[in-house]
Amino acid sequence: ETVMTQSPTSMSTSIGERVTLNCKASQSVGINVDWYQQTPGQSPKLLIYGASNRHTGVPDRFTGSGFGRDFTLTISNMEAEDLAVYYCLQYGSIPWTFGGGTKLELK
Amino acid sequence: QVQLKESGPGLVQPSQTLSLTCTVSGFSLTSNSVHWVRQPPGKGLEWVGAIWSGGSTDYNSALKSRLNISRDTSKSQAFLKMNSLQTEDTAIYFCTRLDHPYVMDAWGQGASVTVSS
Repeated sequence: ETVMTQSPTSMSTSIGERVTLNCKASQSVGINVDWYQQTPGQSPKLLIYGASNRHTGVPDRFTGSGFGRDFTLTISNMEAEDLAVYYCLQYGSIPWTFGGGTKLELK
Repeated sequence: QVQLKESGPGLVQPSQTLSLTCTVSGFSLTSNSVHWVRQPPGKGLEWVGAIWSGGSTDYNSALKSRLNISRDTSKSQAFLKMNSLQTEDTAIYFCTRLDHPYVMDAWGQGASVTVSS
């Protein structure tokens, strides 16, 4: 089973800041990684698929990158609505596995 | 419009079987797969399993021995059955559609399940 390790587990940020979230796979998953955003009480929402492709309607301040074992989600200009928990998901091998999540909080 | 809705009992006794239904609209279960994801209170997301558009299934390794996912395409419903429930199975259970190319682009609102006597 591929273990996805996200870092940091939580981060204090400021509006307008550039934020980088990391996700590391225990074995290579190619580009088979998605990123999801979840706000309290809501279902997760797809942000990035295939490591670097922005889903329809996702603002261009969200950028995904990476290949193999190391993946990054960058928010270029943090907005209040981006305060949420972010999860990476690998679908390179069965069983699919999520990372533990990174929670973005306000400083 | 693509929609998914989970339904099932909110409370299940320990050692009993959980049965959940995901009713979908706006797409066909023979064209898209449905995945189940769960989230224990205050914790992260866990992939539970999937039923693919062709009808085959895949499961979380840790849950495989207790889990069965099936569907009724004529009713546009997918089903999750998990036996021998324990308190650790208390969670919100989501069903989600997988669209091309491997994107969970639509989610249900989730069904809250509590395992307690």
